[in-house]
Amino acid sequence: DIQMTQSPSSLSASVGDRVTITCRASQSIGSYLNWYQQRPGKAPKLLIYTASSLQSGVPSRFSGSGSGTDFTLTISSLQPEDLATYYCQQSYSTPRDFGGGAKVEI
Amino acid sequence: EVQLVQSGAEVKKPGATVKISCKVSGHTFTDYYMHWVQQDPGIGLEWVGLIDPEDGETMYADKFQGRVTITADTSTKTAYMELSSLRSEDTAVYYCATSQNLSGAFDFWGQGTMVTVSS
Repeated sequence: DIQMTQSPSSLSASVGDRVTITCRASQSIGSYLNWYQQRPGKAPKLLIYTASSLQSGVPSRFSGSGSGTDFTLTISSLQPEDLATYYCQQSYSTPRDFGGGAKVEI
Repeated sequence: EVQLVQSGAEVKKPGATVKISCKVSGHTFTDYYMHWVQQDPGIGLEWVGLIDPEDGETMYADKFQGRVTITADTSTKTAYMELSSLRSEDTAVYYCATSQNLSGAFDFWGQGTMVTVSS
């Protein structure tokens, strides 16, 4: 299995702040890295696929970068509705491992 | 609009079997892989397995192998996840989600089904 490690596990930021979450894979996964947002009590929602492609309908303040083993999710200007937990996931192989999540508080 | 609608919450006793459904509308059922994901209360996400509805081929995570069966009914555009020999650790929310190809991201998700295992 591929271990996905996210950091930080939680963070507190203010509206308008730039927020960065990192995800590290235990082996190279190319660009097969996806990011999801899960708001409290809701199902996860796809934000970024293949490391840097923005899912349709997702605000442009979200961006992703990286390849190989190290990846980053950036929120350029944090908004109140971004209160959520963010998960990375590798789709390079099965099982489709997820990171442990990064809880963003505002 | 693509929608995945899951069946309602379940309460089961240890050792029992649960079967959850996920009905798809808004896209061609056989064009997308269907995945199932477990979320323990307050904890993270864990992939359970997938099915290719076109040919019924399945893949399962080792943790669930032998206890989980994923099926798909193309006539009703519904996927199912059956989990047997339930134990308290299976208490979780289970989500269905689709991907456009085998290595694709999970682009659409169901609303989740809470399964509680308690004596």
